[in-house]
Amino acid sequence: KAGVTQTPRYLIKTRGQQVTLSCSPISGHRSVSWYQQTPGQGLQFLFEYFSETQRNKGNFPGRFSGRQFSNSRSEMNVSTLELGDSALYLCASRVIDREGPYNYGYTFGSGTRLTVV
Amino acid sequence: AQKVTQAQTEISVVEKEDVTLDCVYETRDTTYYLFWYKQPPSGELVFLIRRNSFDEQNEISGRYSWNFQKSTSSFNFTITASQVVDSAVYFCALSASTGANSKLTFGKGITLSVRP
Repeated sequence: KAGVTQTPRYLIKTRGQQVTLSCSPISGHRSVSWYQQTPGQGLQFLFEYFSETQRNKGNFPGRFSGRQFSNSRSEMNVSTLELGDSALYLCASRVIDREGPYNYGYTFGSGTRLTVV
Repeated sequence: AQKVTQAQTEISVVEKEDVTLDCVYETRDTTYYLFWYKQPPSGELVFLIRRNSFDEQNEISGRYSWNFQKSTSSFNFTITASQVVDSAVYFCALSASTGANSKLTFGKGITLSVRP
């Protein structure tokens, strides 16, 4: 069973540019979450998508956005990049029960390491 | 608000020693889940264990064991007979079963170095 796939693995962008990161969840997982990891702030929740709808959002500026497609694949976009956006961006997928959210545990991808110069 | 505290930042042990990683959490949710993840240098967060709040039975899985105590809001993780391959950053995380707190809230992580 394939795991969570994130592309690209590494990215270097210039301040002011925008970037799009991709995440393909485990087959059958309908929820995709995104986390940012920096040395200073640690692991922080960005947002979660389920059935193409954002169901939860962290405390990040509007420059950070995401979307989910009908096949559960997700993309996150960061516009007007700042130096502080340099981080490891991790995607996680999980199963959500039909009756309501139930934590079967998150499976993470290997991440995309974004460097803003 | 949810909070996870991992007071230890770095631990260094010699191979075959036992090591315990501490985790203390805060939540107002009545039903919640606790996790331990391992992050090797490759960056991927590897799921280790999950425990729900309504089951305080402690278990052992191979070289891993955990001690969940609701009364003290602690969820400690022990590696028995540590190996060099156990060297990584270990994160404790908390999530509620539903709603806005169903996201994972992580501690700052503990860097474990196992020396041969």
